[in-house]
Amino acid sequence: QQQVKQSPQSLIVQKGGISIINCAYENTAFDYFPWYQQFPGKGPALLIAIRPDVSEKKEGRFTISFNKSAKQFSLHIMDSQPGDSATYFCAAALLGNEKLTFGTGTRLTIIP
Amino acid sequence: NAGVMQNPRHLVRRRGQEARLRCSPMKGHSHVYWYRQLPEEGLKFMVYLQKENIIDESGMPKERFSAEFPKEGPSILRIQQVVRGDSAAYFCASSPARGSDYGYTFGSGTRLTVV
Repeated sequence: QQQVKQSPQSLIVQKGGISIINCAYENTAFDYFPWYQQFPGKGPALLIAIRPDVSEKKEGRFTISFNKSAKQFSLHIMDSQPGDSATYFCAAALLGNEKLTFGTGTRLTIIP
Repeated sequence: NAGVMQNPRHLVRRRGQEARLRCSPMKGHSHVYWYRQLPEEGLKFMVYLQKENIIDESGMPKERFSAEFPKEGPSILRIQQVVRGDSAAYFCASSPARGSDYGYTFGSGTRLTVV
């Protein structure tokens, strides 16, 4: 009920391409969906987040697409750059609740 | 703004020893959260504290683990009698108010290795 499933586990994309990471959740009560970016040796950093009242949110090259009926959401990174190489985690929570339920992460590598 | 400070960055303990992990939240943040990251896994919630109070410890193992956030000083995550399975990265986060939607700021973590 509390799981968030994330795919793929790893992803290699050429510079300038589009990186797409997918997540699916089970608990229909979740109403806050953030994405975190983590570089080696660092803690996760909030990248972008969405609430289920909208189907898409864009911030610069990063876009979250949200499909409430399918209980799925995805991160799109446009014009991917080598500096985007990191591990990306999706997460879900109840608004106002302290517990984030994280996906297992996607290791993204952008090659020249 | 120094961010969330965790120390030590790396900690090696022999089986049966105690591990103490410290976390100083961001200035102005009074809500602290601890998460554990096992190799190749996402982060798992452990405990949520405010000053002098444990608010939610539903993710803490029932034995050997404890957490505190005293009136003065950092938050401490304490693991007694460590075992190999405790080897993980432990992350602390803080926020200005209750709720992950306020935007957690994570520290760089403490990597605990039990030998």
